[in-house]
Amino acid sequence: EVHLVESGGGLVKPGGSLRLSCAASGFTFSNAWMNWVRQAPGKGLEWVGRIKSKTDGGTADYAAPVKGRLSISRDDSKNTLYLQMNSLKTEDTAVYYCTTESYGMDVWGQGTTVTVSS
Amino acid sequence: DIQMTQSPSSLSASAGDRLTITCRASQSIGSFLNWYQQKPGKAPKLLIYAASSLQSGVPSRFSGSGSGTDFTLTISSLQPEDFATYYCQQSYSTLLTFGGGTRVEIK
Repeated sequence: EVHLVESGGGLVKPGGSLRLSCAASGFTFSNAWMNWVRQAPGKGLEWVGRIKSKTDGGTADYAAPVKGRLSISRDDSKNTLYLQMNSLKTEDTAVYYCTTESYGMDVWGQGTTVTVSS
Repeated sequence: DIQMTQSPSSLSASAGDRLTITCRASQSIGSFLNWYQQKPGKAPKLLIYAASSLQSGVPSRFSGSGSGTDFTLTISSLQPEDFATYYCQQSYSTLLTFGGGTRVEIK
């Protein structure tokens, strides 16, 4: 069964850093394009960024609000996706989901909560 | 960025009703349009991809149509478990974007 499990969320002060992880199982992770999507409290879904498979170049793209502060990486040997979050702002407070992407974002994790507050 | 606009933002309906939600893109996106359902406290679930293809396991009462800039999600006969929030999302651009969501509530 395809499974994604996010971890690493928590409370952090503005300007701080956090690294989220997404452990994947049940599929060939190295072939997958992976996304991070977030949802602020009471708000809609916001795409954060995506990383392609290494065979497709391994490059990452980011939404404008996070570009330069958030960074996506992957370790195919560990079947794990990462989101490095630096210079965090209060508006980064959200549930963060990792997703696979083939035709649409077809598998989602359960999410991990990040709260940025002093 | 490509902007995705959903309408209405919320609606009230009864079980058995036929429901249509619309999504408009700020530029042509071909058929690169996906629909998701999200229930409170849960992760979203893919319903429709490529504008009209039903994701495996999704009931056939859900259907999608459209191309270019205008798209619709239709639920032919609303079931109690369908009360949720629905989002469209474009995958035409390198930078992906979601619509603002349509909340479907019980009348």
